[in-house]
Amino acid sequence: QVQLQESGPGLVKPSETLSLTCTVSGDSISTYYWNWIRQPPGKGLEWIGYIYYSGSTKYNPSLESRVTISVDMSKNQFSLKLTSVTAADTAVYYCARGPSARIDYWGQGTLVTVSS
Amino acid sequence: DIQMTQSPSTLSASVGDRVTITCRASQSISSWLAWYQQKPGKAPKLLMYKASSLKSGVPSRFSGSGSGTEFTLTISSLQPDDFGTYYCQQYHSYSTFGQGTKVEIK
Repeated sequence: QVQLQESGPGLVKPSETLSLTCTVSGDSISTYYWNWIRQPPGKGLEWIGYIYYSGSTKYNPSLESRVTISVDMSKNQFSLKLTSVTAADTAVYYCARGPSARIDYWGQGTLVTVSS
Repeated sequence: DIQMTQSPSTLSASVGDRVTITCRASQSISSWLAWYQQKPGKAPKLLMYKASSLKSGVPSRFSGSGSGTEFTLTISSLQPDDFGTYYCQQYHSYSTFGQGTKVEIK
């Protein structure tokens, strides 16, 4: 059974870079697409982007200028970097697996708050 | 960008009721649509994919239909465990979620 676990700072200052890592167990990262999705408190879901193990990526056009998703196959991990954050980036961030942007397995999510 | 619009935003129904949630896409997405159920404080769970394919292990009271721009998720007989928020997601071009439909049990 595949499991995904997000890790990273829970508090980030405005204008700084949000960095999260997702550790995958029970599956090789050299298959499927590895996604990041976020959900502001009390609001709906927003797809951030995905990476394929080959390194090819696709990002939400509304975030593309600030987002980088990378993969570390040696550690079976993938990561998210979001630059120049503001309070609007406060959300629960989920890492997830899918055959595309459609998700079949989700991490439990981690709350990241942007505040000084 | 493809916009996804769900209706209703909230619905309240009784156990045993037939419930239908609609999702409309701003342009054709063929059948590249998924449905998820999310309970408070938890990650969403996949129910349906490719508009009408039921994920293994999901109760058969859930069904999906549609193609192009109009889709529905139907719960044939609402059960107490079906409360939560339901989201549609298009994955035809990038990906977009609907705004969610909160299902409450009367």
